[in-house]
Amino acid sequence: GENVEQHPSTLSVQEGDSAVIKCTYSDSASNYFPWYKQELGKRPQLIIDIRSNVGEKKDQRIAVTLNKTAKHFSLHITETQPEDSAVYFCAASMYSGGGADGLTFGKGTHLIIQP
Amino acid sequence: DAGVTQSPTHLIKTRGQQVTLRCSPKSGHDTVSWYQQALGQGPQFIFQYYEEEERQRGNFPDRFSGHQYPNYSSELNVNALLLGDSALYLCASSLLGGQTQYFGPGTRLLVL
Repeated sequence: GENVEQHPSTLSVQEGDSAVIKCTYSDSASNYFPWYKQELGKRPQLIIDIRSNVGEKKDQRIAVTLNKTAKHFSLHITETQPEDSAVYFCAASMYSGGGADGLTFGKGTHLIIQP
Repeated sequence: DAGVTQSPTHLIKTRGQQVTLRCSPKSGHDTVSWYQQALGQGPQFIFQYYEEEERQRGNFPDRFSGHQYPNYSSELNVNALLLGDSALYLCASSLLGGQTQYFGPGTRLLVL
């Protein structure tokens, strides 16, 4: 089955700096890669996702890049703000015309924004 | 438009007991997936239901079972509870033809 590795487990950055979280996946059949943000005691919330036919996707301060050859994808957050502090999870799944499979998650990155 | 809801929010059980957790999907969604999130870990996929059938299953023992009703709501049942079943149980809903999964707030289960 799919295996997703996520690094680092903890990331501390100064407010206003950029943060990068990296994930690798094992199953070349995976073609959908979402990123979720989970604040303490709350539900995971989708912040951005990318499909395997796209190399990069941006949404304001957040961007995701995908390297299918290396089976590697990354989350980039620019101009970090205190409200960006949370645990971030990457995930992978396979999607076909018949539907989307269950998500395989990484272990999470605790992002700390230092004032 | 109501999002994904789950009940109860918290639950305490003892080893060997059985538990049922409930999930109502986001309006218009027909597919429900269940995940187990241990403390400090990422969610792990348990199974997915569509049209009242189990469509896909993760690496969980058959003590974990589920059900989906015609209104798309779903239940997760866990029999013969173990201490290791203590976790946050998350339900996520989606459209079968779509990819995005929206999560509920979860049920926190403590097994003593």
